[in-house]
Amino acid sequence: EAQVTQNPRYLITVTGKKLTVTCSQNMNHEYMSWYRQDPGLGLRQIYYSMNVEVTDKGDVPEGYKVSRKEKRNFPLILESPSPNQTSLYFCASSPNKINEAFFGQGTRLTVV
Amino acid sequence: GQSLEQPSEVTAVEGAIVQINCTYQTSGFYGLSWYQQHDGGAPTFLSYNALDGLEETGRFSSFLSRSDSYGYLLLQELQMKDSASYFCAVRGTNAGKSTFGDGTTLTVKP
Repeated sequence: EAQVTQNPRYLITVTGKKLTVTCSQNMNHEYMSWYRQDPGLGLRQIYYSMNVEVTDKGDVPEGYKVSRKEKRNFPLILESPSPNQTSLYFCASSPNKINEAFFGQGTRLTVV
Repeated sequence: GQSLEQPSEVTAVEGAIVQINCTYQTSGFYGLSWYQQHDGGAPTFLSYNALDGLEETGRFSSFLSRSDSYGYLLLQELQMKDSASYFCAVRGTNAGKSTFGDGTTLTVKP
């Protein structure tokens, strides 16, 4: 089954404690990205990757890091989480320039 | 940069037709996409317009006019399960960045 898998689905952590949210896709897609979603603000792109070892900033990259060492994986790293990073996070992938994206189930992150 | 505007809320009755508009400002993009999202769940792809005109997929249709910087999603024969948020989105041709509108919450009433 074609899918994008994120882990964990829910996470409560404390300010400053490094965390990683994993994302994996099994469709051999080149394009992957991370979004955060806050009430009333829609989906805002954090980082995207157009292929292995190619990453670029989206609209809200501050406080986040990503890596793309393999085509299937695109982890999101928060080196020092802060409460303003409390949000719902989605990973997505798509096969080409067409913006048909497959989304993961989301990770609800709370930073206290 | 890129920006997309949608109405924040739309209400319609079961069986009716509703149109959700999306106006955009962008320096260049591959096409306009539409997504549906139920209550914080994963957004799911509905439709994509690479060229001007109408694309039809079952009860859903989408339209794009690049000259007017405008598109819309048309939902026919509304059902209660269509109550959800709907987002338009573009991917820029310059650097591949994707931008979503803030979403339109559709409420379908009996």
